[in-house]
Amino acid sequence: SQTIHQWPATLVQPVGSPLSLECTVEGTSNPNLYWYRQAAGRGLQLLFYSVGIGQISSEVPQNLSASRPQDRQFILSSKKLLLSDSGFYLCAVSRGSYEQYFGPGTRLTVT
Amino acid sequence: QQPVQSPQAVILREGEDAVINCSSSKALYSVHWYRQKHGEAPVFLMILLKGGEQKGHEKISASFNEKKQQSSLYLTASQLSYSGTYFCGSTSTMNRDDKIIFGKGTRLHILP
Repeated sequence: SQTIHQWPATLVQPVGSPLSLECTVEGTSNPNLYWYRQAAGRGLQLLFYSVGIGQISSEVPQNLSASRPQDRQFILSSKKLLLSDSGFYLCAVSRGSYEQYFGPGTRLTVT
Repeated sequence: QQPVQSPQAVILREGEDAVINCSSSKALYSVHWYRQKHGEAPVFLMILLKGGEQKGHEKISASFNEKKQQSSLYLTASQLSYSGTYFCGSTSTMNRDDKIIFGKGTRLHILP
């Protein structure tokens, strides 16, 4: 079975600072990878998804970007954080089936 | 289109039953159910596919009505551990790369 790691678990960053969140997957190859954001008490907003190395689709125009440098690594970045970027960032994985599983998440607070 | 979940919130006593509904204005191919506890990531419960069978086990099950474009999650004899926010997600095609669109969630609170 697959294991999803997200790093860091929590992060407090000032407005205007850069961001890099990492998601790595073990136990599967060539997965579909997803980044979601969940604002406090809200639903799941799909930000980016990737069906392969270097293939990134963006769902919401904003100051975030994503990259997939390796098959099982998905990175979410920003050059300058906004207060509205605060939230719970979740990486999700699906592979060969319709089921999708979430990683443990990174809680980001922008101050 | 985002599926619509109802109710938005429900409070039950331990041992009572709950039904959470998820409906879409688009034809559905798959419906996914997740439970999220406060401060944690959503946990996959089950998936229902068009033409597939009703899923679940004794206490938690779900149905999928293709004609009504609707799914329902049934929680029987609820336990304290069932508390959390339940999300349904849906896809409209059989393409395994199709994105899941999630509803806004239903908050379930079980009282002892």
